[in-house]
Amino acid sequence: DQQVKQNSPSLSVQEGRISILNCDYTNSMFDYFLWYKKYPAEGPTFLISISSIKDKNEDGRFTVFLNKSAKHLSLHIVPSQPGDSAVYFCAASTGTASKLTFGTGTRLQVTL
Amino acid sequence: DGGITQSPKYLFRKEGQNVTLSCEQNLNHDAMYWYRQDPGQGLRLIYYSQIVNDFQKGDIAEGYSVSREKKESFPLTVTSAQKNPTAFYLCASSPSQDTQYFGPGTRLTVL
Repeated sequence: DQQVKQNSPSLSVQEGRISILNCDYTNSMFDYFLWYKKYPAEGPTFLISISSIKDKNEDGRFTVFLNKSAKHLSLHIVPSQPGDSAVYFCAASTGTASKLTFGTGTRLQVTL
Repeated sequence: DGGITQSPKYLFRKEGQNVTLSCEQNLNHDAMYWYRQDPGQGLRLIYYSQIVNDFQKGDIAEGYSVSREKKESFPLTVTSAQKNPTAFYLCASSPSQDTQYFGPGTRLTVL
């Protein structure tokens, strides 16, 4: 039972354009969400998080949007850069980051 | 430098052998976690520990064991009871109420 779903296994975007990565969840108890970026053979790197009391959080080129009624969150990267090419995981937890449930990841490729 | 270290980076073992993966952190984090990643899948939680001398099973604990004798160390033993041990193993740590920070991972291959 996949409680956190990333339905697009891959995404290709041109450099300078916006990348939008999507994530859906089924567990209504989730109230804290995170995005991680992962390069091959390395550990994930934390990017940005959002609590369910907010619907948007911004950090530089990265913005996360949360739609609680739709149980959907998205990560926007603007402008996209070649160094953004990686696998992006969304994760969810209840209350804190103490126990995370991860999605299956979306591979982003930013082309020149 | 503060961070999480995992050793070794690559590990090979023969079928039927136990093997222990190391995870050390000097971030003074209370909580530590072990995940495994398989191709095309997300990270799945094996074990976690919120405090020294205490740990809980995650979603896929069968065939694994852990210990937490020191705050900075959380070794994972992959036993011969684990049916499909070949995977990429990731250790993470976390301050009490914040995000998790990951180590570089260990790729275990069973021959």
